[in-house]
Amino acid sequence: DAGVIQSPRHEVTEMGQEVTLRCKPISGHNSLFWYRQTMMRGLELLIYFNNNVPIDDSGMPEDRFSAKMPNASFSTLKIQPSEPRDSAVYFCASSFPGKHEQFFGPGTRLTVL
Amino acid sequence: AQRVTQPEKLLSVFKGAPVELKCNYSYSGSPELFWYVQYSRQRLQLLLRHISRESIKGFTADLNKGETSFHLKKPFAQEEDSAMYYCALSLSGSARQLTFGSGTQLTVLP
Repeated sequence: DAGVIQSPRHEVTEMGQEVTLRCKPISGHNSLFWYRQTMMRGLELLIYFNNNVPIDDSGMPEDRFSAKMPNASFSTLKIQPSEPRDSAVYFCASSFPGKHEQFFGPGTRLTVL
Repeated sequence: AQRVTQPEKLLSVFKGAPVELKCNYSYSGSPELFWYVQYSRQRLQLLLRHISRESIKGFTADLNKGETSFHLKKPFAQEEDSAMYYCALSLSGSARQLTFGSGTQLTVLP
């Protein structure tokens, strides 16, 4: 198993552009989490899904951020329009039903110029 | 709301010295506590959880409900222990999200 897969691994874009980050969770996992990691704030939970349904999006910073999970094997995190302060590493994680342990992807390093 | 505090952003120790990474939490119920580790250029991964009461790579952590702490300890640090360490809290019940501390970057010097 390749584990949680994220793409792209690196993204450099200009302010105002739309950015889409992708995640494929581990097969059989029914919970999916999106995190943002910065030096100042550490790891912040943005949103999580249970059985493809968004459960808690209170961590999404503003309306410019949106996330979808159209099926059990795919999720996207979109930023539109992007701003320099969105520069961070974005992690996706998934977990088995009923289990607390989360398995993390390699992350996407986003730089907004 | 629950909160996890790791007071040290950076911690350096010499090889062979004891190391303790501090973690304090605030939550009125019975949480589950975890330590996650991120080695250079690797994924964030689970190191240990309090309910297992296990020792992983020589690390242990004891949940102290009176002091609301879950400090990570190792008696003799090794250079390969250099990494970013995150303490995390999960609420009891059906919710599965983790609340992470801000992390401590541990450097073990030769």
